[in-house]
Amino acid sequence: QKEVEQNSGPLSVPEGAIASLNCTYSDRGSQSFFWYRQYSGKSPELIMFIYSNGDKEDGRFTAQLNKASQYVSLLIRDSQPSDSATYLCAVIRNTGGFKTIFGAGTRLFVKA
Amino acid sequence: GAVVSQHPSRVICKSGTSVKIECRSLDFQATTMFWYRQFPKKSLMLMATSNEGSKATYEQGVEKDKFLINHASLTLSTLTVTSAHPEDSSFYICSADPRGGGSSYGYTFGSGTRLTVV
Repeated sequence: QKEVEQNSGPLSVPEGAIASLNCTYSDRGSQSFFWYRQYSGKSPELIMFIYSNGDKEDGRFTAQLNKASQYVSLLIRDSQPSDSATYLCAVIRNTGGFKTIFGAGTRLFVKA
Repeated sequence: GAVVSQHPSRVICKSGTSVKIECRSLDFQATTMFWYRQFPKKSLMLMATSNEGSKATYEQGVEKDKFLINHASLTLSTLTVTSAHPEDSSFYICSADPRGGGSSYGYTFGSGTRLTVV
């Protein structure tokens, strides 16, 4: 089992729709959770971080965390073609020392 | 915001030569920096953790004698790919956590270096 799992996609949504990206993690002691966006040929950029159970909203982005289910998601409202990218879920694992573990990423296509 | 500068952005070198990649934190001090490589359509693979003033910590399977890391100051880490071979061709990315320590608001990444060994 991978430590951080994401559906590789591609996930295709029409412009204006809600894109839902999911991530599960294996280390129950993990405390910090991040979503990064990576455009093709570019390095990742941080979109959001979340520490507490529940929802965290920032503009069109909402991160959702459920520690009991070891599940974190990212919702993108009013998706735009410019949102087309690979979204990486990352988790800081506390077991064995602090270490950031990245998922393999979900490719998102927003169709105009 | 926190900025990490990485140079060069692209480099083509001949097989057998060495290539140095620099990673600088421009507006914060980074006692720790991270080096990743990424193959096309694959995720980030952590190669090593660079620690200022001490030896780097390499991930399992990464040859420390091939990928030399030097973190001589609080703002500069370098990765040298020695005796490069075509299979070393990849996208190399550095990152740092502006907060450091165990509490993080996420990493800031450099712009990456596309290495092609011919």
